[in-house]
Amino acid sequence: EIVLTQSPGTLSLSPGERATLSCRASQTVSSDYLAWYQQKPGQAPRLLISGASTRATGIPDRFSGSGSGRDFTLTISRLEPEDFAVYFCQQYGSSPPISTFGPGTKVEIK
Amino acid sequence: QVQLVQSGAEVKKPGSSVKVSCKASGDTFSSYGITWVRQAPGQGLEWMGGIIPVFGTTNYAQKFQGRATITADESTTTAFMELSSLTSDDTAVYYCARSFMIPFAGEWRDGYCDYWGQGTLVTVSS
Repeated sequence: EIVLTQSPGTLSLSPGERATLSCRASQTVSSDYLAWYQQKPGQAPRLLISGASTRATGIPDRFSGSGSGRDFTLTISRLEPEDFAVYFCQQYGSSPPISTFGPGTKVEIK
Repeated sequence: QVQLVQSGAEVKKPGSSVKVSCKASGDTFSSYGITWVRQAPGQGLEWMGGIIPVFGTTNYAQKFQGRATITADESTTTAFMELSSLTSDDTAVYYCARSFMIPFAGEWRDGYCDYWGQGTLVTVSS
């Protein structure tokens, strides 16, 4: 099973600042099959990025994903008030076909 | 419009089973998979398993092998997740999600989740 580690656990930033979130896999994620989700309290997760770098429909371009192999990054170029939330990465490129989520990074207002 | 509507909250006794349903609209069943994810109070997301209805194939996280059963009824476009031998550790919100089928090692598997149900709270308590 691929284990995902996310860092930092909490990121304290101000609106307008840049956020850089890391997701590291214990093994290579095949075909860069990695997704990022945003979750706000009391809500279901929302897909932001699939395939490591493809923005989902309706996601603002201030969100970008990068990386390959074992190391992946989600960048929010300029934080808006609605971006303060928890972010999870998910890999879906392991054999056998078992997906896993990272533990999450909380982006909080400084 | 894609919608996934889940069944209501449940309270169960330890040792019993729970079955959560997920009614999908649109063309979900013909072209996508259904994934189940749970989230214990204050915790992260945990992938449980998924099904691709058009192929009838299922995959489970090792932790849930033998205890979770995921099925789908194409006639009603409804997916189900049944979890047996419940303990207090199973208290969580259970989500179904539409998963994009991706090619992998010569077959199709569940990929990322683009639409989610509203979640079903399952509370296990004596």
